[in-house]
This record gives sequence, C-alpha cells and structure tokens, in this order.
Amino acid sequence: ETGVTQTPRHLVMGMTNKKSLKCEQHLGHNAMYWYKQSAKKPLELMFVYNFKEQTENNSVPSRFSPECPNSSHLFLHLHTLQPEDSALYLCASSQDRVQQYFGPGTRLTVT
Amino acid sequence: DQQVKQNSPSLSVQEGRISILNCDYTNSMFDYFLWYKKYPAEGPTFLISISSIKDKNEDGRFTVFLNKSAKHLSLHIVPSQPGDSAVYFCAASGGVRGGSRLTFGEGTQLTVNP
Repeated sequence: ETGVTQTPRHLVMGMTNKKSLKCEQHLGHNAMYWYKQSAKKPLELMFVYNFKEQTENNSVPSRFSPECPNSSHLFLHLHTLQPEDSALYLCASSQDRVQQYFGPGTRLTVT
Repeated sequence: DQQVKQNSPSLSVQEGRISILNCDYTNSMFDYFLWYKKYPAEGPTFLISISSIKDKNEDGRFTVFLNKSAKHLSLHIVPSQPGDSAVYFCAASGGVRGGSRLTFGEGTQLTVNP
C-alpha cells in the first residue's frame, strides 16, 4: 500500500453508537491531520499531530476523540454523534508544513 | 471569518479552451498557496503551488498566478481536457497560526465539455 489509506470508506452509525475511523500513511511523514468536509463548505481542520503529539485542536466537540499511537497511524473515535456530524472525514499527512497528502476519506452518515 | 474564498462554485469550459479558476484571500500573513484537485470518492490531490516571493509558477498545462497586492490568485489550465473535470480547492499556509495549518476555500466545480 502506498500513500494515505483510510478505513472504512463508508460508515453509517446511530447517535448512540461508538465507532472509530482509521488512517494510515506509508510516506514516512511526521505530521497527520483530520479534516471534516461538509457539503458546499471548505475543508475544516479538526486536529493536527506532529511526531505523535497533538499540536492543534480546532475547537472540536469532545464527541470526536483523536488518537495517534505512532507517526504512521491516526484514529478518530466517535461517540454520541449528531446528524449534523454527517460529512466526509479526510485524513492527511505531511513532512513539512506545506504540502499535505490526503487519503480517500470516510463518508460518515449519522442516523 | 472565511479567509480564503472561491466565489465561483462552478465553471463550465469547452475542451481545448482555457479554464481560469479564481481565489481570494484576506490574511496578508499567508505566504504559500496551493491548488488541490478532487474527484468524487477520492481525497484531494496536490496540483501546483506558489510561494509569496513569486508571482507565477508553471507546470505543464497548469499555471498559478499570484497578485499579492490584490490578495488574489488564479489557476489557469490550458488546454482544458475532459479529465480535468473535478472540484478544485485553493489553500493557503502561514499566518498567525501558521505552522502546518492549511486554510481552504470552498472549491470550484470545473466541468470540461468534449
């Protein structure tokens, strides 16, 4: 596998469920990111990790909980989500501060 | 506060013609700009970038122009091909909370008609 992979690609969950999104990068990068893309809106940065340490939390509700066990893996744990959380969740990685490489995203639907 | 704006949600162009996608920004601390292309069911892929010390960067059919005084950049695609049909995002880096943060525009859907 090369690049940035994300699983699952599609997820439907109820508001009381707990699920996790997984991201893995095979590029040797030291920074990883979670973005949310809602329809007709810009990509919204959620979290940034540098060398496994969280360096940015963009005022994300606590029902979203990131985890970065190492520089290659990033998780987004989800619990008690709301229907308005339905969106495309994108993971990205980078080696420097500029060019980021994105995964294909997880299309999340909260029912 | 939308710091990066793409005011055209869509653009339709004939194959072989030039496509011009526009982007405006408000934060004068931005010092690096990127364009990403996104196909349905895929993540954004990097296309081309430009540093604020330049006003033009060219890569094959793609050229990005930066006008710092107007806080405006544009992406020119010539000649346009049907495979270029995608959503194009403008992004900017730098600013007070710079570091690894990228600020994205809303995207422009480009359709190239055969």
